[in-house]
Amino acid sequence: AQSVTQLDSQVPVFEEAPVELRCNYSSSVSVYLFWYVQYPNQGLQLLLKYLSGSTLVESINGFEAEFNKSQTSFHLRKPSVHISDTAEYFCAVSRKTSYDKVIFGPGTSLSVIP
Amino acid sequence: GAVVSQHPSRVICKSGTSVKIECRSLDFQATTMFWYRQFPKQSLMLMATSNEGSKATYEQGVEKDKFLINHASLTLSTLTVTSAHPEDSSFYICSARDRIDSPLHFGNGTRLTVT
Repeated sequence: AQSVTQLDSQVPVFEEAPVELRCNYSSSVSVYLFWYVQYPNQGLQLLLKYLSGSTLVESINGFEAEFNKSQTSFHLRKPSVHISDTAEYFCAVSRKTSYDKVIFGPGTSLSVIP
Repeated sequence: GAVVSQHPSRVICKSGTSVKIECRSLDFQATTMFWYRQFPKQSLMLMATSNEGSKATYEQGVEKDKFLINHASLTLSTLTVTSAHPEDSSFYICSARDRIDSPLHFGNGTRLTVT
């Protein structure tokens, strides 16, 4: 079975500083990878996804993530964070098989300090 | 973009009663729907996977007789918490997708409080 690890449960960072949220996964087969964001008392929103092709994927609000197959990682980065980026971030993985389930990591709470 | 509507957003019920939560895909056909449970400041725990027209597949440790899931159409899935108890109080979130390589689209969740 696949699993997802997010080593950092909480990441405080000053506004306009860069940030990296780490995600590692384990799976015996090829996977799809996702980052979701959850703002307080809301559902989850897709931030970005890796399905195939270029290993570097970007979101519309400045986040990017790079799929590293050898290190089984999918770290999320942003060069300059804003107050509005304060939220919970979840890395998720799904095997490339029909109707397979999506497994979420434990989440990383990003707090942007003014 | 794809929209998933989940109702109600909040519900308070008495211990021993049943509560039904609806999850609808508004502009796409959801071949697969997932139900998650989230405890405060924790990750999402997958409860069950449902495919339209077939029985739901429950994760280990989830009581299928307590959490009844019905995926009767390609746009609607329901989760019924039967004989609710205070320990069932949680945030329940549904999600849906139309293809295996589609990302999940989430509802806004239902905050269930059992008194």
